[in-house]
Amino acid sequence: DGGITQSPKYLFRKEGQNVTLSCEQNLNHDAMYWYRQDPGQGLRLIYYSQIVNDFQKGDIAEGYSVSREKKESFPLTVTSAQKNPTAFYLCASSLTGGEDYGYTFGSGTRLTVV
Amino acid sequence: DAKTTQPPSMDCAEGRAANLPCNHSTISGNEYVYWYRQIHSQGPQYIIHGLKNNETNEMASLIITEDRKSSTLILPHATLRDTAVYYCIADKLSFGAGTTVTVRA
Repeated sequence: DGGITQSPKYLFRKEGQNVTLSCEQNLNHDAMYWYRQDPGQGLRLIYYSQIVNDFQKGDIAEGYSVSREKKESFPLTVTSAQKNPTAFYLCASSLTGGEDYGYTFGSGTRLTVV
Repeated sequence: DAKTTQPPSMDCAEGRAANLPCNHSTISGNEYVYWYRQIHSQGPQYIIHGLKNNETNEMASLIITEDRKSSTLILPHATLRDTAVYYCIADKLSFGAGTTVTVRA
């Protein structure tokens, strides 16, 4: 079955460490997105990519980095520069043109800084 | 890019219809309206989308006003499992805080 996979589901990080969250899709979607969600809040866009080897900053990109070397993969690195990284991170993918069914979301990664 | 406005919360009785409003007054002519729902600690799930005609599927109905500045998601017979946060978006890059729907027995 086609879908989007995030791993790991839970992640613990010590302060000062970088950590990379994985996101893989086999839907042949062109675009991929990373969102952050804090308790009781909506989704805030971190980065998005509409084509391989290209990506754009979202509303809260500071302290994060991404790469898009393959169409299927869009890993997110939470760097030590991110002051408050504890959150629920969601990856999504979509087609980029015309009518489509919007986003397909992964099941999320819950990051906790200890 | 179109932004959306939704009420922060609403309650609904089990078995009754739930009508969830959304304002998207800045939507452009070729932007679709999408609805998603998120159950706690899961990724949002697609519900329905539309451009200007009303739409219905097995989960819900979507009513879009003629001027396309607002829409209403209708859950025809709400169940306890419909308790979730519902998001209306007209721009793939902008999610608001959504409407927290609580279905009560």
